[in-house]
Amino acid sequence: KNEVEQSPQNLTAQEGEFITINCSYSVGISALHWLQQHPGGGIVSLFMLSSGKKKHGRLIATINIQEKHSSLHITASHPRDSAVYICAVGGANSGGSNYKLTFGKGTLLTVNP
Amino acid sequence: NAGVMQNPRHLVRRRGQEARLRCSPMKGHSHVYWYRQLPEEGLKFMVYLQKENIIDESGMPKERFSAEFPKEGPSILRIQQVVRGDSAAYFCASSQQGGSTEAFFGQGTRLTVV
Repeated sequence: KNEVEQSPQNLTAQEGEFITINCSYSVGISALHWLQQHPGGGIVSLFMLSSGKKKHGRLIATINIQEKHSSLHITASHPRDSAVYICAVGGANSGGSNYKLTFGKGTLLTVNP
Repeated sequence: NAGVMQNPRHLVRRRGQEARLRCSPMKGHSHVYWYRQLPEEGLKFMVYLQKENIIDESGMPKERFSAEFPKEGPSILRIQQVVRGDSAAYFCASSQQGGSTEAFFGQGTRLTVV
């Protein structure tokens, strides 16, 4: 079993729909990251969080430390949101660095116009 | 303030050659992290460096791979005697400090070994 599990693996939505991507992890963490990767492209860090909730524009990320679960929500989805969304966790024993990350396999989101 | 710059974006090497991947961190950032994304697999941590120091190389293959981050110039990930299995996307990220500060990722270098 992977330490970081994402669901769903693939998600297709219509423009305007509310999107939720889930991430569960099995290790103690110091922080959880949500990343965005366009096909063939670079990686953009969307959120880094260790508790509660963060919001940036149409994106919202939440984390429940007790349940070892995080969600990424996209409101009013748009075709330009189409990308792979990756959950990654920085372990509690990562020597002080949040960037010795363990990554999920990603969720491929396709938003159709 | 330019972002994290990686070059080249695409690199083709024949088996047995050396590959050098460069990562210039964002201005003011002294921490660099390298990750590898193998085809059809997720990203995996390789190495964490500060200026002139390797902090954690637990994700680096034991042979043929090395990394440095000199006092001046970019961080270099070096792969000697490349094999087909080294074909992957290599990403670096940089941050001002380790720990809880945000890191910024580069566009990646896509290495193809033929």
